[in-house]
Amino acid sequence: AQSVTQLDSQVPVFEEAPVELRCNYSSSVSVYLFWYVQYPNQGLQLLLKYLSGSTLVKGINGFEAEFNKSQTSFHLRKPSVHISDTAEYFCAVRNSGGYQKVTFGTGTKLQVIP
Amino acid sequence: GAGVSQSPRYKVAKRGQDVALRCDPISGHVSLFWYQQALGQGPEFLTYFQNEAQLDKSGLPSDRFFAERPEGSVSTLKIQRTQQEDSAVYLCASSSNQGLVGDTQYFGPGTRLTVL
Repeated sequence: AQSVTQLDSQVPVFEEAPVELRCNYSSSVSVYLFWYVQYPNQGLQLLLKYLSGSTLVKGINGFEAEFNKSQTSFHLRKPSVHISDTAEYFCAVRNSGGYQKVTFGTGTKLQVIP
Repeated sequence: GAGVSQSPRYKVAKRGQDVALRCDPISGHVSLFWYQQALGQGPEFLTYFQNEAQLDKSGLPSDRFFAERPEGSVSTLKIQRTQQEDSAVYLCASSSNQGLVGDTQYFGPGTRLTVL
């Protein structure tokens, strides 16, 4: 079984400031990791994913995340946020073998303050 | 199509009613998933189809939940005798491959079900 923990339910940040959204996972096997963004009344959109290789992954909208196997973390970062980044962000994990059953965290609401 | 579509977008049901939620995946996508997202929670897996075959239904919370994809494209999630705890957003996702490395799931906008 696998699980995802997003400790911060809400993160307020001023516009143009940097932000880090934390994600920790647990799994007994190797995993793939994902970050999704959900805007109000919309479905989830993939921001970025880690499958293998370089532990620093770059995604859309200027976001990046770093996979840290020893700390079982996959924190999401952006050096300078914009008002349009206000949304809910979900970290997710799936086993690297088998099909694509994905386990999501409970989400972090990013509120960008003008 | 341009993306995954779901209908209706909003559904209000009285407790005990049956509901049917529809998902139109991206054309040609083999895999289709249903998730349930309760208020303030992340999506939770319900069931998975590969073409018309339902390969995993381990996430369905009770036998009142039933999903089908008879022709391997459109899927319907049916909930019988709805209960208040069924109130949630039901998300559908599709992907082109069959669980292969790197395959991306594309999500629809969801159906918000409210059971009174």
